[in-house]
Amino acid sequence: NAGVTQTPKFQVLKTGQSMTLQCAQDMNHEYMSWYRQDPGMGLRLIHYSVGAGITDQGEVPNGYNVSRSTTEDFPLRLLSAAPSQTSVYFCASRQSGVSYTFGSGTRLTVV
Amino acid sequence: RKEVEQDPGPFNVPEGATVAFNCTYSNSASQSFFWYRQDCRKEPKLLMSVYSSGNEDGRFTAQLNRASQYISLLIRDSKLSDSATYLCVVHRGNTPLVFGKGTRLSVIA
Repeated sequence: NAGVTQTPKFQVLKTGQSMTLQCAQDMNHEYMSWYRQDPGMGLRLIHYSVGAGITDQGEVPNGYNVSRSTTEDFPLRLLSAAPSQTSVYFCASRQSGVSYTFGSGTRLTVV
Repeated sequence: RKEVEQDPGPFNVPEGATVAFNCTYSNSASQSFFWYRQDCRKEPKLLMSVYSSGNEDGRFTAQLNRASQYISLLIRDSKLSDSATYLCVVHRGNTPLVFGKGTRLSVIA
């Protein structure tokens, strides 16, 4: 049972490049979320999903897209990377009534 | 006002000390409450849920005061391994969990 798997663990992008951060869970959880964590800012919600085919915006959605075509996968797409998107990104999943399980994170640097 | 507020610390305490963290939340409709622990450069992990009657897990005690919208975490007999950031988390309905910015604890030998 792998839990929540995020790939890649590290990534360096050039300004303007696009990429997809992958998140997969094998626990059949309904709810999945993407957070970014910056020093002094805590965890900020980017996008979330309450089930396959359903997504919604969080606190800081600009510059990011998500989709949820299957229960297992919830990829986060950076459309045109900017230095302000340098951060640590965490994916998390949970079942109704249960707390979150987090992936190990993706450390992204945009130069 | 942020939905969840915590004292950022850092709290620097000697081994064996008792330390308490506080957290306030602004939305009275919040239904579930948690404390997470986050080690440096790692993902947050659930430490314990917080129940209305208060609950204890070994050296850790969590309390909830719904009237004051206040949550606390007490750590007794602090260990070096308790050094981490402690995140207060609230939740309601089908919305995502809301995290406080965390309180940093350093336990010193």
